[in-house]
Amino acid sequence: SQQGEEDPQALSIQEGENATMNCSYKTSINNLQWYRQNSGRGLVHLILIRSNEREKHSGRLRVTLDTSKKSSSLLITASRAADTASYFCATDAGGSGSRLTFGEGTQLTVNP
Amino acid sequence: NAGVTQTPKFQVLKTGQSMTLQCAQDMNHEYMSWYRQDPGMGLRLIHYSVGAGITDQGEVPNGYNVSRSTTEDFPLRLLSAAPSQTSVYFCASSYAGVDYGYTFGSGTRLTVV
Repeated sequence: SQQGEEDPQALSIQEGENATMNCSYKTSINNLQWYRQNSGRGLVHLILIRSNEREKHSGRLRVTLDTSKKSSSLLITASRAADTASYFCATDAGGSGSRLTFGEGTQLTVNP
Repeated sequence: NAGVTQTPKFQVLKTGQSMTLQCAQDMNHEYMSWYRQDPGMGLRLIHYSVGAGITDQGEVPNGYNVSRSTTEDFPLRLLSAAPSQTSVYFCASSYAGVDYGYTFGSGTRLTVV
């Protein structure tokens, strides 16, 4: 079963707009991670937020984590056509970082 | 650094054949994992390892075997291929602990006919 569930499943925006993707999970976590996958390629790690953190920034990425609601959001500001990809959240199923459980992803399309 | 290297990139098998998907990393990562990705289902964990000589089952282990004789290599063996194993397979590795993300290989696209 998938621990993380992303919302929406697909998102289409114009270049320059912000994109927000949400992730919900079911059990307690040590951290939550976001990955990007370009079509036909492997996943690329974007950002990791620990369970005791509420917000984290990396360049144009902003991640929030609400452990009371078991949810996280990924905000991409000033989007570019190159941001077109699938975005996945992942949580640690085993408690030691050894087993990640992925959601089904959000397909983001940024139109030029 | 090459990162995580998977071979082959593409493979077509006949039902009942066996094969090994290779995965190697040069980052001295303790953790290694195999996932399969099917359309609309995200990534599902097949097997994982926390170090040389230690492996364990993930969510969908049936039909697959793994071994980890060295830190660098983590091959995935399909024992008797079935059409249901048609998928894209990803290997990933990470440092041990809860503060690290995973590095993924570029994947192996497997078709079983």
